[in-house]
Formats: sequence, structure tokens, C-alpha cells
Amino acid sequence: DAGVIQSPRHEVTEMGQEVTLRCKPISGHDYLFWYRQTMMRGLELLIYFNNNVPIDDSGMPEDRFSAKMPNASFSTLKIQPSEPRDSAVYFCASSLGGGAYTEAFFGQGTRLTVV
Amino acid sequence: GNSVTQMEGPVTLSEEAFLTINCTYTATGYPSLFWYVQYPGEGLQLLLKATKADDKGSNKGFEATYRKETTSFHLEKGSVQVSDSAVYFCALTNTGGFKTIFGAGTRLFVKA
Repeated sequence: DAGVIQSPRHEVTEMGQEVTLRCKPISGHDYLFWYRQTMMRGLELLIYFNNNVPIDDSGMPEDRFSAKMPNASFSTLKIQPSEPRDSAVYFCASSLGGGAYTEAFFGQGTRLTVV
Repeated sequence: GNSVTQMEGPVTLSEEAFLTINCTYTATGYPSLFWYVQYPGEGLQLLLKATKADDKGSNKGFEATYRKETTSFHLEKGSVQVSDSAVYFCALTNTGGFKTIFGAGTRLFVKA
């Protein structure tokens, strides 16, 4: 398996523009997680899905952020409008089962820069 | 609430030196504990894990023992290599939940 695939790897956009990040989880995995990594706040869980259904979005910072999972092989994280403070590395991860013993497999991340 | 505290970096060592990265946690219940490693330009990958007290996780020469009495899960390696240079994250997932809480990460530099 190719692992978790994220696109794009790098994104530079202007403040106010819409940004869409994409993720393809490992085939067969039923949990999908979106994380944001910054120097100041470390690694934060934004939202996670189970069987394509959003379970907990309490980590989504503002209404400007939204995430969807239309099917088992694709998810998007959208920021509209984007702001400079959204600059971070965004990771998608997937796992088979989401219990306490479960390993999460991470994608390589999307480095977002909002200017 | 649940939290993970790990030693601040960066940690700089010479090749073949002994490595310890401290990690302590706060959690209700009986969490599972993990160490993840992040190499430059990549995502995190699981290094090792322990799911109950006194368990020892090990992989690639790294070890960590789940110490409930001291709420710790320190990462150790007897002889580091240049290729071990990376950022190491301690993490926990509590039973009954699906949120993995990560520490701030510790950057390790190993010099030849």
C-alpha cells in the first residue's frame, strides 16, 4: 500500500483565499484524522471521522475550517477565508479501528503558507 | 484532563552515545502510551508502544517502559546513530476514547 497520501505537499496562498487540502487514507482503514502542527501549539487534532462520519470536530479552530469525507477513500479540509495564522503543516492520518491500542498512519503533510 | 510533557530539545549527541528522552503524562483511567518519530519532511510514524503498566515497548534499538507509579514513559537507546536524528513525540490515547494527545516533541541531533 502507498500509505496515506496528501496533496498538495506545499501550498502558498494569499489571505482571504479559499484553500482545500486533500487526503487519501490507507485502503480499508475506517478512521481518519486531521491534525495541525505549529511551533507554538505543537500537534493538534482538528477533527476525526469514523466510516466517513465526523465524530468529533471540537478541535476545529473556527467556522472558517470545514472537513468532509464523501467516501472511504477521500477527505478534504477546507479553509475559507484563509488567514496568515492558519500557516502550519496539516497532517492527515488513518487507522484501522480507533481504539486506545491502535496505531495511526500519517501522511507526509501539507505545508500551508498564507501571506 | 489528559496531557503529555516531554523534555525540551534540541538534544545533541555524538554517535554511539546513550539517549534518554523523558516523558511524563497525566491521564484518567489506563491510557496506552506511544512514541512516534518524525524524520525531516515526513509525517509521524510509530516507533513503539505499550498498552498497560510495566509493559516495555521496543523497536530499532529504542525502548520505553510504561511506569504507572511515576506516570512516565521515557525513551532510551543505548547507542544512537546519525540516522536517528529526528523529532520524537510521546503520546497517549486513553481507553474509551479515540483522541491521541501528543507531547510537544523533542528534536534529536546526532553528530558523526
